[in-house]
Amino acid sequence: EIVLTQSPATLSLSPGERATLSCRASQSVSSYLAWYQQKPGKAPRLLFYDVSNRATGIPARFSASGSGTDFTLTITSLEPEDFAVYYCQHRSNWPLTFGGGTKVEIK
Amino acid sequence: EVQVVQSGGGLVKPGGSLRLSCAVSGFHFTSYAMNWVRQAPGKGLEWVSSVSTGSSYIYYADSVKGRFTISRDNAKKSLYLQMNTLRAEDTAVYYCARALDTVTYFFDDWGQGSLVTVSS
Repeated sequence: EIVLTQSPATLSLSPGERATLSCRASQSVSSYLAWYQQKPGKAPRLLFYDVSNRATGIPARFSASGSGTDFTLTITSLEPEDFAVYYCQHRSNWPLTFGGGTKVEIK
Repeated sequence: EVQVVQSGGGLVKPGGSLRLSCAVSGFHFTSYAMNWVRQAPGKGLEWVSSVSTGSSYIYYADSVKGRFTISRDNAKKSLYLQMNTLRAEDTAVYYCARALDTVTYFFDDWGQGSLVTVSS
């Protein structure tokens, strides 16, 4: 099973600041990685798939990069609606796994 | 408009059974793999099971293998999760989720979630 480790667990930032979230895989997932955003009481929302393909309706302030075992989600300038929990997920093999999540909270 | 509407869920005793359903509309159901993902209270996301378009390929997390059964009825545009021998650790919100396509197991449309509570 591929373990995805997200860091930091919590990111305390102010609106307008830059957020950089990390996802590290225990073995290569090639480019088969996605990012999701989840707000309290809501289903997750797909942000990016296959590393950097932006899902429908995702604003340009979000970007994603990486390959192999190290991946990054960047939010260039945090908007109030961006404060949420972010998860990475791979589809390299079975079982599919998610990272433990990074909570982006208002400082 | 894509709609994924879940039903089922509720309180069940340990060892009991429950069936979750998911009815979809707004897209060609037979063109997408379908999935179940769960989230225990206050915890992260956990993939549970996936089924290919024609049900030829079915996958389960080890934590549910042998106890849960995923199925789909393409004529009814519906996905199901039969959960047997439930345990306290199965308590979670269960989400039905559409894959990006037939083989890309990322999830772009999700149901509203169904809470399953396993407790005596």
